[in-house]
Amino acid sequence: NAGVTQTPKFQVLKTGQSMTLQCAQDMNHNSMYWYRQDPGMGLRLIYYSASEGTTDKGEVPNGYNVSRLNKREFSLRLESAAPSQTSVYFCASSPQTSHETQYFGPGTRLLVL
Amino acid sequence: AQKITQTQPGMFVQEKEAVTLDCTYDTSDPSYGLFWYKQPSSGEMIFLIYQGSYDQQNATEGRYSLNFQKARKSANLVISASQLGDSAMYFCAMRPAQTGANNLFFGTGTRLTVIP
Repeated sequence: NAGVTQTPKFQVLKTGQSMTLQCAQDMNHNSMYWYRQDPGMGLRLIYYSASEGTTDKGEVPNGYNVSRLNKREFSLRLESAAPSQTSVYFCASSPQTSHETQYFGPGTRLLVL
Repeated sequence: AQKITQTQPGMFVQEKEAVTLDCTYDTSDPSYGLFWYKQPSSGEMIFLIYQGSYDQQNATEGRYSLNFQKARKSANLVISASQLGDSAMYFCAMRPAQTGANNLFFGTGTRLTVIP
């Protein structure tokens, strides 16, 4: 039981390049999330998917797109990377209800030059 | 609006002593969940403890307990018998049941250092 997995672990991009961060969970959770963590700011929600086939914006969605490929997988795409998107990205999953704990992946460190 | 405040950027505790990490929150939702996560230097986010807003008793999980004072809107984490492995960043988070129900709102964290 791997929980939540993320690839890659680390990535360096040049401004304007695109990339997709992959996330998968094997806990049969309905909901999945993408957060970013910047120094001194805690985690902020980028996008979430409450269930397979649905996605919605979080607090900081600009510059990102997401795809809920199936129940297990939720990807985050940067179409044209900017230095402001340098951050650590966390994927998380949870069962449907609002009081359920979210379980996090190990994170992806992204550096945009 | 939802807001989580952690006013202690850093805390030190002697090994085997207890320590309290402060967290206050602000929400207009009558129902919500409160969470604490640990982030060691390796970077992963580890769930520690959960408290529901309607729970009558304070939550406990092993050496972790949550001092929940609803009227004061505080949810302090108490770690008893600190160990060297407790050195990490600790984040308080809240999930409202209605407004922004799919979002975990995080504080800015407290860095705990356990001294041998």
